[in-house]
Amino acid sequence: EVQLVESGGGLVQPGGSLRLSCSASGFTFRDHYMDWVRQAPGKGLEWVSSMTGSGEVTFYADSVKGRFTISRDNSRNTLFLEMNSLRAEDTAVYYCAKYSGYGSRSYPFDYWGQGTLVTVSS
Amino acid sequence: DIQMTQSPSAMSASVGDRVTITCRASQGISNYLAWFQQKPGKVPKRLISATSSLQSGVPSRFSGSGSGTEFTLTISGLQPEDFATYYCLQHNSYPVTFGPGTKVDLK
Repeated sequence: EVQLVESGGGLVQPGGSLRLSCSASGFTFRDHYMDWVRQAPGKGLEWVSSMTGSGEVTFYADSVKGRFTISRDNSRNTLFLEMNSLRAEDTAVYYCAKYSGYGSRSYPFDYWGQGTLVTVSS
Repeated sequence: DIQMTQSPSAMSASVGDRVTITCRASQGISNYLAWFQQKPGKVPKRLISATSSLQSGVPSRFSGSGSGTEFTLTISGLQPEDFATYYCLQHNSYPVTFGPGTKVDLK
């Protein structure tokens, strides 16, 4: 059974940093693209960042580029999101999500974690 | 960046109704379009990938169609458990973009 479990959310002051983790199980982690998607309270879904299975290629939304860094440890089946220079508008539930398929025939997002809440406030 | 729009943004419907939600892309995205359902306080769930491929376990009353820039999600015979918000997603190019959502509630 595929499971994605996020952790690391919490309350942080503007300008602060936080590191989210997503522990994966039930599938061959290194074979799949993994992403972070967020949802501000009462708002829609917003894609944040993507990483290929090998970890060699990354993509970011303009809203987080230069402040957030996605990474993965395939030996530990874990995805990370390092968030710096946090702003109030980064307040959201952050989900990690898995792609189905492989390589160029990858399709988002067949499995999601339960989400972890990040609150940026003084 | 590719912008996604959805119509309607909200709708009221009755059990048994046929519901159609439209998603439009600002430029062609081939068939790289997925649909998600989200209920309040719950994690999004993928219904359809690659425009029309039904996710395993999703009832056959859900169907997707379209190509290029216009896509539709159809629910043939709305059930009580289908009242939710529906999002489309394009992954033809980065940044991946979601539509703003369509909330389907009970008339």
